[in-house]
Amino acid sequence: QITLKESGPTLVEPTQTLMLSCAFSGFSLSTDGVGVGWVRQPPGKALEWLAVIHWNGVKEATPSLRTRLTITKDTSKNQVVLTVTNMDPVDTATYFCARRLVGRGFDNWGQGTLVTVSS
Amino acid sequence: DIQMTQSPSTLSASVGDRVTITCRASQSISSYLAWYQQKPGKVPKLLIYKTSSLESGVPSRFSGSASGTEFTLTISSLQPDDFATYYCQQYNTYPWTFGQGTKVEIK
Repeated sequence: QITLKESGPTLVEPTQTLMLSCAFSGFSLSTDGVGVGWVRQPPGKALEWLAVIHWNGVKEATPSLRTRLTITKDTSKNQVVLTVTNMDPVDTATYFCARRLVGRGFDNWGQGTLVTVSS
Repeated sequence: DIQMTQSPSTLSASVGDRVTITCRASQSISSYLAWYQQKPGKVPKLLIYKTSSLESGVPSRFSGSASGTEFTLTISSLQPDDFATYYCQQYNTYPWTFGQGTKVEIK
């Protein structure tokens, strides 16, 4: 059974750095073709892709946030971490991590974690 | 960035109706297009990947097709469980992008 679960703060102040962890089980991020990505969804709005990291270490992030986003993996711990610097109220959203297989979309998702940016 | 434009934004339909949702890409994305279903307060669920491949466990009433840069999700006979918001996503070119969503409502 594949599971993913996001963890991190639910409230951050403007200009602070957000660090979210995605702990997963049921698959390995060292297996060819596997990736873990992050998607966010502001309240009442559409999904927005943020970043992805693959089994071979190749990572990509959305250009609109690239200077603020870092994605890393710890294969031995089955964990992916997303860091977002200089948080702003417009970054308030539910943040999801999800697995993807090369050639496919995101086939397994975490439950999501709502992050509110407010002073 | 590749823009994914979904239409309609909202769709009112009845149980048993055939429903079609369209997603137009601003440039070629080959066949790397996925469809997701999301219910309020829930996690997105992958329905279709690579334009027309049905994800395991997804009912066969869902199907996907394409003509050039126009992609279509069809629900052959709408069921009560299908009332939700549907998103397309291209994963051919970074940054991957989602459509703005199509809400399927009860008529």
